[in-house]
Formats: sequence, structure tokens, C-alpha cells
Amino acid sequence: DTGVSQNPRHKITKRGQNVTFRCDPISEHNRLYWYRQTLGQGPEFLTYFQNEAQLEKSRLLSDRFSAERPKGSFSTLEIQRTEQGDSAMYLCASSPIGTGAGEQFFGPGTRLTVL
Amino acid sequence: DQQVKQNSPSLSVQEGRISILNCDYTNSMFDYFLWYKKYPAEGPTFLISISSIKDKNEDGRFTVFLNKSAKHLSLHIVPSQPGDSAVYFCAATEAGGTSYGKLTFGQGTILTVHP
Repeated sequence: DTGVSQNPRHKITKRGQNVTFRCDPISEHNRLYWYRQTLGQGPEFLTYFQNEAQLEKSRLLSDRFSAERPKGSFSTLEIQRTEQGDSAMYLCASSPIGTGAGEQFFGPGTRLTVL
Repeated sequence: DQQVKQNSPSLSVQEGRISILNCDYTNSMFDYFLWYKKYPAEGPTFLISISSIKDKNEDGRFTVFLNKSAKHLSLHIVPSQPGDSAVYFCAATEAGGTSYGKLTFGQGTILTVHP
């Protein structure tokens, strides 16, 4: 399977715990994006990387959130001290540089439930 | 501040008829628009896009129309098929600068095509 993969697919945690999600983009895709989707809404942009450089972060990304892409391949999104409001679907997407603007390939997402 | 709006939460259409999904935007800096389709338990899948220099783009059964003066776009599906039943998201981006590829999504419209 050469698509974008995300692990885990589901995560249930208690408030105050830390969680980490992983995203493996399509090979050779330089750009990697994180979005968050809550019920009844479209995905909301969180951050994106070009290779290993984090180029933009949304104001939605509080200081409890951190994302890394250490070698320009896979990426991790960590949420510290989770809150119930963090419950959402976290989507990862990737794209190569030079494609039509915005044509991104999404993974299946990680559904986070904070109890 | 919802910069991309899909005001119809749902749409029901008979198989073989036309489906028209609508989207409005407020940010005049947006110059590239996309439609994504999402099935349950999957990430969004790119469907079709249009640049602001065009007013129509067609791909098989799917046509996107852009009215820049009204800041409105629509997706036409003709003929509609039961397999088209999914959530459709409109998205927009600025094709340049650091916001390149950062997608702003609408809330989505649930399309149901009845046999």
C-alpha cells in the first residue's frame, strides 16, 4: 500500500495524559500536513512541513501541541496534557512540490477520544 | 470566522439525475479551489480543482464552476450514481507564498444518491 498511513487509528486516553500520533506520507512527497476535524466540520489546518522544516503553524496549535518531521520522512504529532476539547479526528496529508496547489493525499486519520 | 461555507448540510438526489453542491468563500486572496470526497472511515480524496483564472473545469461526470465576482463555486455531478454517496468538502487556498497548500475547508455536504 503506497498511500498515506497513520497510526494508531484510534486512541482513547484520560484527560491530562500525553498522546503521540504518527504519519507516514507517500514516499518522496516533500510536503506533509496535519489537520484536525471535529464532528460536523471540515478539516482545520494545524501545521505543515516541507521536508524537515516546519513552515507554518496555525493559531489552533497551542503550546501543548508539537509536531516533528525529523528526517523529512514520517512525522509525529504530540499532544501534552490532553483536554476533552482535543477529542477529534487528526488527519495527515502529503503532497509533492510542484503539483497543483492543494492537491493533497490524505491518510485515514487517528481518532482521539479524551475521557 | 468561516472563510469557506457550505450552507447545505445534506442533499438527496435520485440516481441518474444531477447533483449540485454549492460553496461560498469570503477571502478574496483565495485563488485555487478544490473539491474533496470523503467516505466513512477514510480520509478525504481529491476530486477536482479549479484555478481562479478559469470559470469552469470538467473531469468526466464532475464539473466545477467558479463565479469570482460572487465568490461562489459549485460542483455538478451528472449523472449521479449511488457510489457518489459521500461527504463532499469544498476547499480553498492561496497558490503562492507561505500559505501555498494550506487548505481551508467548508463544513461539508452529505450527498445521498438513491437508486
